[in-house]
Amino acid sequence: GQQLNQSPQSMFIQEGEDVSMNCTSSSIFNTWLWYKQEPGEGPVLLIALYKAGELTSNGRLTAQFGITRKDSFLNISASIPSDVGIYFCAGLPDSGGGADGLTFGKGTHLIIQP
Amino acid sequence: NAGVTQTPKFRVLKTGQSMTLLCAQDMNHEYMYWYRQDPGMGLRLIHYSVGEGTTAKGEVPDGYNVSRLKKQNFLLGLESAAPSQTSVYFCASTLPGFSYEQYFGPGTRLTVT
Repeated sequence: GQQLNQSPQSMFIQEGEDVSMNCTSSSIFNTWLWYKQEPGEGPVLLIALYKAGELTSNGRLTAQFGITRKDSFLNISASIPSDVGIYFCAGLPDSGGGADGLTFGKGTHLIIQP
Repeated sequence: NAGVTQTPKFRVLKTGQSMTLLCAQDMNHEYMYWYRQDPGMGLRLIHYSVGEGTTAKGEVPDGYNVSRLKKQNFLLGLESAAPSQTSVYFCASTLPGFSYEQYFGPGTRLTVT
């Protein structure tokens, strides 16, 4: 099936730093979604992208749908302690009908050091 | 509006025991999904349903069964639990069509000893 390569696997940063993570695929995706999961909770949708080249912000978070439709990026500016968690990318493949759900990356674990 | 809820939140089973996990959503979503999450493996799809009375297999369906008797509920059953089924289970739902954005429940942590 489809696979998404998400990197980095984990990040150790200082409070106040900017964060960048990305997802890539060998095939084309129609939709890119970014989720955040906090310990003991389910993933929560942060940003949804529907068009190649689209750039969308949600507060300090900005995500982009790559022009090739094979990648997406998430940036977090001026990180704060509550940004800690696991960030997942997810996509809807161009070849899929959507019924069998999204393809998920394996997550980027963000750790913020005081 | 509670969104997606799951019961129970935690459960410990002995090998060979059976149990049912309940997922309920109040958003009138057509599609529902069951995933398992294991360290380093991300989210893997177990079974899904595109409507009341229909179910289909996902990536890792073995050892699980599901039922969707009512639109708002999706049940995941383990007939004979095995230690390999120790995991965190998430239910999700979506309104199909444009975006397929999935909304997740809080999860059920299952330990099989």
